[in-house]
Amino acid sequence: QKEVEQNSGPLSVPEGAIASLNCTYSDRGSQSFFWYRQYSGKSPELIMSIYSNGDKEDGRFTAQLNKASQYVSLLIRDSQPSDSATYLCAASGGYNKLIFGAGTRLAVHP
Amino acid sequence: GAVVSQHPSWVICKSGTSVKIECRSLDFQATTMFWYRQFPKQSLMLMATSNEGSKATYEQGVEKDKFLINHASLTLSTLTVTSAHPEDSSFYICSARDYGASGAYNEQFFGPGTRLTVL
Repeated sequence: QKEVEQNSGPLSVPEGAIASLNCTYSDRGSQSFFWYRQYSGKSPELIMSIYSNGDKEDGRFTAQLNKASQYVSLLIRDSQPSDSATYLCAASGGYNKLIFGAGTRLAVHP
Repeated sequence: GAVVSQHPSWVICKSGTSVKIECRSLDFQATTMFWYRQFPKQSLMLMATSNEGSKATYEQGVEKDKFLINHASLTLSTLTVTSAHPEDSSFYICSARDYGASGAYNEQFFGPGTRLTVL
């Protein structure tokens, strides 16, 4: 059973701080990894994708991938209240499918 | 780019009726689309993979005769919930894979979702 594990949270951080979200995956064959943001009552929005070991930065977001440890993380710098949402980690699962984690709820308080 | 639309955004129907949900890729061609269901405070559950010009592939436990999927063109997939019952009430979300832009990297872009309420 291919799985993606995330801490459900909530992760509470003050405005301006760095939020660190983590996920692990079970399938060593996974080659691509994604972070989606989902606001309450809305559909997921792709915010980061990463395919090779190391860091990938896009604005305030940095995705980190360590295939040896089967670990993916997302750092959000200068967190804003508008970043408060559920963040879904996903790993490629074969046949073009993605395996989603249950999501981590992030709360950024002023 | 990579915009996916869904229609309707919400629908209320009586038990026993059928409901059709459309998913369109607006600015790219999608040979593969996916249908998910999400119950409140739960994660996404993949229902089926919709392939243009061929039969959909359903996940284990999903009734293919109840959830009919048609992917007649490179920009349109439809999900029909047949003989809907209150337990089918959920948030149905489609996604599309932009194969042309991302090649083998499996990026999926989601539609805004359809909230179905069956009375």
